[in-house]
Amino acid sequence: DIQMTQSPSTLSASVGDRVTITCRASQSISNRLAWYQQKPGKAPKLLIYKASTLQSGVPSTFSGSGSGTEFTLTIGSLQPDDFAIYYCQQYNLFPLTFGPGTKVDIK
Amino acid sequence: EVQLLQSGGGLVQPGGSLRLSCATSGFPFNIDGMTWVRQAPEKGLEWVASIGRGDDRTYYPDSVKGRFSISRDTSKNTLFLQMDYLRADDTALYYCAKRSEVADGSAFDYWGQGSLVTVSS
Repeated sequence: DIQMTQSPSTLSASVGDRVTITCRASQSISNRLAWYQQKPGKAPKLLIYKASTLQSGVPSTFSGSGSGTEFTLTIGSLQPDDFAIYYCQQYNLFPLTFGPGTKVDIK
Repeated sequence: EVQLLQSGGGLVQPGGSLRLSCATSGFPFNIDGMTWVRQAPEKGLEWVASIGRGDDRTYYPDSVKGRFSISRDTSKNTLFLQMDYLRADDTALYYCAKRSEVADGSAFDYWGQGSLVTVSS
């Protein structure tokens, strides 16, 4: 199985900050990586697929990059609505696997 | 508008069975891939089952293989998850989700509201 790790596990930041989350895969997954945002009591929301393609309707302050085993999610300017947990997910091979999540909270 | 409306969660004893449903609308359900993902209390996301795009091939992780079964009724645009031999560690909020058409694989762009399954005596 492909193991996904994320760092940091928690990130404290302020509105307006630039924030970067890293996701690593235990083996190459090409660009088959998705990023999701989840808020308390809500279902996950797809932000980015194919490592760097923004899902329709997602603000352009979100961006993704990477290929192979190392990926990043960047929020260019953190907004109040962005405080949430972020998960990466590989879909190169079954079983599909998610990272453990990164919680972005208010400093 | 794409909608996924879940039903069927609840409390069940260890060893028991439960079936979750996910009624869909707004997209070609008969050809789109669908999945179930779960989230144990205060934990992360775990993939549970998928059914193929344009066919009925099914996929499961080892943790549920042989106990859970994903299926769909295309006449009712409804996805199901049959869960047998339930264990305490199956306790979670279960989400159905639709496979994205453009992600070149199993990324999920629409999600249901979640169904809580509690396995306890």
